[in-house]
Amino acid sequence: KAGVTQTPRYLIKTRGQQVTLSCSPISGHRSVSWYQQTPGQGLQFLFEYFSETQRNKGNFPGRFSGRQFSNSRSEMNVSTLELGDSALYLCASSGTTGTDTQYFGPGTRLTVL
Amino acid sequence: QQQVKQSPQSLIVQKGGISIINCAYENTAFDYFPWYQQFPGKGPALLIAIRPDVSEKKEGRFTISFNKSAKQFSLHIMDSQPGDSATYFCAAGFSGYSTLTFGKGTMLLVSP
Repeated sequence: KAGVTQTPRYLIKTRGQQVTLSCSPISGHRSVSWYQQTPGQGLQFLFEYFSETQRNKGNFPGRFSGRQFSNSRSEMNVSTLELGDSALYLCASSGTTGTDTQYFGPGTRLTVL
Repeated sequence: QQQVKQSPQSLIVQKGGISIINCAYENTAFDYFPWYQQFPGKGPALLIAIRPDVSEKKEGRFTISFNKSAKQFSLHIMDSQPGDSATYFCAAGFSGYSTLTFGKGTMLLVSP
């Protein structure tokens, strides 16, 4: 099976702009989670979607949002970008029954100037 | 408070040696403890995981030791190899839920 894919791999934006990142989970997986990875804070959970519904949300401001489509593909959006949003954004998918093993994509490296 | 504390931040081990990374958690409701390995430019990959009903799990050169009463778990890498050089993350979660709380990672360097 193909792994988790994320597009684009790299993005450069300026403060105040908005950005949309995309994630395609492993075929058959219905749960998609998003994480932000920074050197200082490590991996922090953003939100999880399961069957097009947000099932869980981390402690991030409302500028961070996401959605999931009927084919389980997911997008996350960050509005009004701040310098501190520069990070590696990782998407992970897991199986149909909410099984615990998460498979991560390679991430999208976002740089905010 | 759902925190996972990981130590050390970095570790240098000679080839053939044992690498040991430790984690401590606070929430006693956690019942799933995976370890992830991340190479530069890649996403984290599941290495090995344990549930609190066992005290140890071994897969090849990788062993998790779990101490429920101390709320601690550790990763041991036996016969460490240069190819093991990576960042290792411990995590904790709840069965049936995809959300994981991660430690801040340990950069392991295995010198030849």
